[in-house]
Amino acid sequence: SAVISQKPSRDICQRGTSLTIQCQVDSQVTMMFWYRQQPGQSLTLIATANQGSEATYESGFVIDKFPISRPNLTFSTLTVSNMSPEDSSIYLCSVRPVTPRGYEQYFGPGTRLTVT
Amino acid sequence: GENVEQHPSTLSVQEGDSAVIKCTYSDSASNYFPWYKQELGKGPQLIIDIRSNVGEKKDQRIAVTLNKTAKHFSLHITETQPEDSAVYFCAASRYAGGTSYGKLTFGQGTILTVHP
Repeated sequence: SAVISQKPSRDICQRGTSLTIQCQVDSQVTMMFWYRQQPGQSLTLIATANQGSEATYESGFVIDKFPISRPNLTFSTLTVSNMSPEDSSIYLCSVRPVTPRGYEQYFGPGTRLTVT
Repeated sequence: GENVEQHPSTLSVQEGDSAVIKCTYSDSASNYFPWYKQELGKGPQLIIDIRSNVGEKKDQRIAVTLNKTAKHFSLHITETQPEDSAVYFCAASRYAGGTSYGKLTFGQGTILTVHP
């Protein structure tokens, strides 16, 4: 498995501001993902964070709103820009460790964001 | 794309009873099916998974079964305990070549409550 940490664990932000969430993994991983989980809902993939290149976004998510960086194999950031109350969610970092199986995927503890 | 349906949305059992959660998927090429447990305030935890080359997998009190023909898979928890109370998510993905698998598509989640 992998130990994944996220900062901050929670935050309350004013509308119109931006928040950057950090994800750090204790070992090298092949893939890193960012998910959103709205209250009482399932997990929605925002984007795949690609090391050294632009992230791959899912339908409905755009780089201007959710810029992502991944400068190395164990670290990534997600920024939620120009926030509105609709952005209040849990944001989850997820990784696939380097293993022969290549398919197991693990999640961080999440960042609980409230926008007022 | 893949679509995963999960039932029931809520499940209430008495301690010691068994619990079964079912998922169906639409993409016949999907071949990896993990289950996640999410406790309140935490990120999803991978608890068991199955690949399409096996029909059943067990790990102590939990088991997963897969019926490729019918395109459904199930999570079975025996001798339930109050600490099993959580939200459970199923997911599906397909092999993408080499050691790569495609993105996970999640079910809607099942809130399991185990009453002492």
